[in-house]
Amino acid sequence: AQSVSQHNHHVILSEAASLELGCNYSYGGTVNLFWYVQYPGQHLQLLLKYFSGDPLVKGIKGFEAEFIKSKFSFNLRKPSVQWSDTAEYFCAVIPDSNYQLIWGAGTKLIIKP
Amino acid sequence: EAEVAQSPRYKITEKSQAVAFWCDPISGHATLYWYRQILGQGPELLVQFQDESVVDDSQLPKDRFSAERLKGVDSTLKIQPAELGDSAMYLCASGQGAADLYNEQFFGPGTRLTVL
Repeated sequence: AQSVSQHNHHVILSEAASLELGCNYSYGGTVNLFWYVQYPGQHLQLLLKYFSGDPLVKGIKGFEAEFIKSKFSFNLRKPSVQWSDTAEYFCAVIPDSNYQLIWGAGTKLIIKP
Repeated sequence: EAEVAQSPRYKITEKSQAVAFWCDPISGHATLYWYRQILGQGPELLVQFQDESVVDDSQLPKDRFSAERLKGVDSTLKIQPAELGDSAMYLCASGQGAADLYNEQFFGPGTRLTVL
């Protein structure tokens, strides 16, 4: 069965630190990939997505992610985090086998001011 | 900006009672999804609609859960009877097109259910 793994459940960083959140999926076919973010008290919203083309995709609020097909990975990065980036981040994939969003367990990011 | 609406936002009920959740997707969105999210986990798909038809309900516990989208617009998810293990956040999402690789989903605020 397809699955998505997020390596860290909790990450604590200071403002201005660089961020990388890991995401790996297990499926050998074609996938589209997403990162969603949930700020405290708010609903899930799309941060960025990869469908095709340049494997380095840029999203909102200075986030980017790189799709490395050979590693089945789609890691999220931000060069300098802000306190307002405190949120829970979810990686998700849609495989071409069933077109359903398969979710990771999420990473809670806390930014210390 | 159009949003997915859900109500109620919070629901507390006793086990063996019936509960119902309502979702109004973004206008014109053909696909509608109900997810359950347990604390510390990612969302788990319960049921997926394309217009008024169920596309996938393989993960819906059909002995106690039911979902409908009668006119292909808003949707109701029902649990009867509720069990302690049903305590979770219930999320509704909608997508513009058919369920395929490119169908970006937009989420509502969710209904947090607590079963006592």
